[in-house]
Amino acid sequence: EAGVAQSPRYKIIEKRQSVAFWCNPISGHATLYWYQQILGQGPKLLIQFQNNGVVDDSQLPKDRFSAERLKGVDSTLKIQPAKLEDSAVYLCASSLEATYEQYFGPGTRLTVT
Amino acid sequence: AQTVTQSQPEMSVQEAETVTLSCTYDTSESDYYLFWYKQPPSRQMILVIRQEAYKQQNATENRFSVNFQKAAKSFSLKISDSQLGDAAMYFCAYLFYNQGGKLIFGQGTELSVKP
Repeated sequence: EAGVAQSPRYKIIEKRQSVAFWCNPISGHATLYWYQQILGQGPKLLIQFQNNGVVDDSQLPKDRFSAERLKGVDSTLKIQPAKLEDSAVYLCASSLEATYEQYFGPGTRLTVT
Repeated sequence: AQTVTQSQPEMSVQEAETVTLSCTYDTSESDYYLFWYKQPPSRQMILVIRQEAYKQQNATENRFSVNFQKAAKSFSLKISDSQLGDAAMYFCAYLFYNQGGKLIFGQGTELSVKP
């Protein structure tokens, strides 16, 4: 079974630029999560989708972050404009249903200079 | 609000020895899951072990076992016969049923294994 795919793996941008990350969950997984992991900390949930609907986006900085999951499969997370404090690893995870085991992708390491 | 605390930023163990990683959590709920995840350097997070709060029996997975103390809100991970491949960051995480799968992670414990 193929795992959760993410791209790109690494991205370096200047502050105020925009960036987008892509995630392809495990086939058949209804629930998709985006987490932000700042160096030296545990991951923090940004947004959770159930199929193509948003379940929880309470910690998503909506003035600069946006996410979508069209057709309930792939998802993109966008940052516009980026700030220095957005430097982190962005992890995508998926699960069959919420409360089931979450499978994580390799992450995208973002550096904002 | 639920919180998860890992008080040991770093731990070290000799190969073949046993090590215990600590985790405490704060919740007013009675039904929840607890997890230990492993994150090797530059590699993706994988699930090590899970515990349902309603189960009194401690979970075990090969060399990994937990000591779940519900009243004390404590959830420690024991790694027996440590191997070099066990070196990684370990995260304790809490999941509350009614929050739809939202995982709350601790700060992590970096485990090094000495040959």
